[in-house]
Amino acid sequence: AQSVTQPDIHITVSEGASLELRCNYSYGATPYLFWYVQSPGQGLQLLLKYFSGDTLVQGIKGFEAEFKRSQSSFNLRKPSVHWSDAAEYFCAVGTLTGGGNKLTFGTGTQLKVEL
Amino acid sequence: DAGVIQSPRHEVTEMGQEVTLRCKPISGHNSLFWYRQTMMRGLELLIYFNNNVPIDDSGMPEDRFSAKMPNASFSTLKIQPSEPRDSAVYFCASSFNQGASGYTFGSGTRLTVV
Repeated sequence: AQSVTQPDIHITVSEGASLELRCNYSYGATPYLFWYVQSPGQGLQLLLKYFSGDTLVQGIKGFEAEFKRSQSSFNLRKPSVHWSDAAEYFCAVGTLTGGGNKLTFGTGTQLKVEL
Repeated sequence: DAGVIQSPRHEVTEMGQEVTLRCKPISGHNSLFWYRQTMMRGLELLIYFNNNVPIDDSGMPEDRFSAKMPNASFSTLKIQPSEPRDSAVYFCASSFNQGASGYTFGSGTRLTVV
C-alpha cells in the first residue's frame, strides 16, 4: 500500500531564510506527487504537482519541489521564506485505483516563520 | 468557477443525532473525495467516487457513516447516529482526468458532536 512520510512535524525558520520540507513516499509504481498548504481554519491549496517529465517542478508562491526516484523523495523548497508562508504543509501521493487517482497524505509539517 | 462548495461550514450537534454534510464539486470534475481531518489521525480518506460510483469506501470508519453521490454535482456524507469521536473537519475534494489538474478542496465542515 502507498504511504507518505513527512519526518518533520514542526520547522521554524527566520524570514528570508531558505526552506526545505522533506517528503518520502512508498509506492510500487511511478507516483503522482503533490504538495498542499493549509492555513489555519482553511482548506488545502495546491502548491505544485509532479506527474512525469522534468523532476524539478515549479509551483505557486515561489515554491519548487524535486522528485528523486532513487531516494523516493519529493522535497519542497523555497529560497526565501516570507512571514505569510507560515502554515501547515502536506505532501501527498496519488495512486491509480478504479479509473482515477486517490490521494494519500502525509501527517504534515507545521512551518513557523520568525520575523 | 466557485470551487468546491461544502455546507454547512460549522455544525454542532448532540450525540445520537443524524448529521448530513453536503458537497458540490467543480463542474466537469468526475472524481469526488471525502476526507476527515483530526489532530490525532491527520487527513484520512473516507470514500472516493469516480463518475458518481463509489470506488473505494475502505476508509469509512463504521456503518454509522454513509455517502452518496446521486449526480455529478452533489454528494452527501451522513453520520447516523453521531458520536463525540466523530468531531473533526470534513473535507470534500474533486478532480478531473485522474487528478492531472490537481485536486481542489472545499473549505471544510467543522463538526462538533457534544
